[in-house]
Formats: sequence, C-alpha cells, structure tokens
Amino acid sequence: SQTIHQWPATLVQPVGSPLSLECTVEGTSNPNLYWYRQAAGRGLQLLFYSVGIGQISSEVPQNLSASRPQDRQFILSSKKLLLSDSGFYLCAWTGLINEKLFFGSGTQLSVL
Amino acid sequence: KQEVTQIPAALSVPEGENLVLNCSFTDSAIYNLQWFRQDPGKGLTSLLLIQSSQREQTSGRLNASLDKSSGRSTLYIAASQPGDSATYLCAVDGGSRLTFGEGTQLTVNP
Repeated sequence: SQTIHQWPATLVQPVGSPLSLECTVEGTSNPNLYWYRQAAGRGLQLLFYSVGIGQISSEVPQNLSASRPQDRQFILSSKKLLLSDSGFYLCAWTGLINEKLFFGSGTQLSVL
Repeated sequence: KQEVTQIPAALSVPEGENLVLNCSFTDSAIYNLQWFRQDPGKGLTSLLLIQSSQREQTSGRLNASLDKSSGRSTLYIAASQPGDSATYLCAVDGGSRLTFGEGTQLTVNP
C-alpha cells in the first residue's frame, strides 16, 4: 500500500533562517506531488506541484521554492524565512487523473 | 477562476442527528469533487470522491451528492457520533489542481 511521510511535525524558526521540509511517498511510482499551506481557520492554498522529477510548477509568488530530486521525494525550501511564512504545510500526492488526493500529516511552522 | 464556498462555517449538533454540509462552486467544468475530513493539527483524509459524470457516492454513514449544473454538492452524515467531530472540506478538481473551500467545523455533542 501507498504511504506518505512528511517531517518534521513541528518547527520553530527565527526570521531570516533557512527552511527545508521533506516529503516522501512509498508504494507508488511517478506520483503527482503537491505542497499546500493552510493558514489558521482558512482553506488550503496550493504552493507548488510536480508531475515528474525536476518539473516544478509554482502557483503563488513567494519566499519559497520546491524541488523534486527523486521520483518520490518533494522538498520545500526557503533561504530566508519571513514572519508571513508561518502556517501549516501539507504535502500531498495523487496517481492518475481523477484519483483521490492523499495528504501527509503536516508540518506546523512558526517563524518568530 | 474557480471559487468554492462551504456553508455553514461551523455546526454543532447533538449525537444521533442526521446532518447536511453544503459546498458550492462557481465553474461547473470540473473533473471531480472530493470531500475531506481534517482533525485538529492533522492532515486531510479523503472521504469520498465523486466523478463529474456521477451523481452521488456512499461510504458507510456518509453520502455525497453532486449537481454539476448548479454548482452544488452536499455531504450527508447519518446518525452523527462524537467521533465525527472534525472540519470537513470540499475540493473541486479543474484539471491541474484542486480548489478547496474553507471548511465546515462540525461538533457532535454527546
């Protein structure tokens, strides 16, 4: 069966520090991968999605970047965090078109 | 641009009650609609997926309907239980990405 791993669960970082969040998927190949951000009490905002290794589409201009160095690995990064980067970050994957979207357990990022 | 709205934003019901959550969307050109459940501080769990050609899907006490022409979906929960307390989000798939509503926070009181 397929599983998705996302870490860390919680992260507190000072303003101006770098960020690296990692997500891996097991049990499937060539998944579509997504990074979402959820502000408190709000819906989900799509940040990046990837349909293959090295293929990244950015949805919202921001202080973040994403990379997909391996088929089942998706990384969210920042060189210098801003206060506004605080939020709940979720990685997700799906297989073929019209299949369910499966989420990781999320990372609560607090930038202080 | 697709917009998804969920009403009500919050709902509190006594245990055992049947309830309906509503989701509306502005662009009917969708591939599918999904309903998710989110517990506090957790990721989302997909409950039901309705293809654009389908009218409804059922899983246990949950039934989701889709009326694409009117841009509406409902999630019906039968015989609600305290364990159903969570935030329920709907999302529509327009092809390359899902657009999410802001969710309905459900509390089922024992």
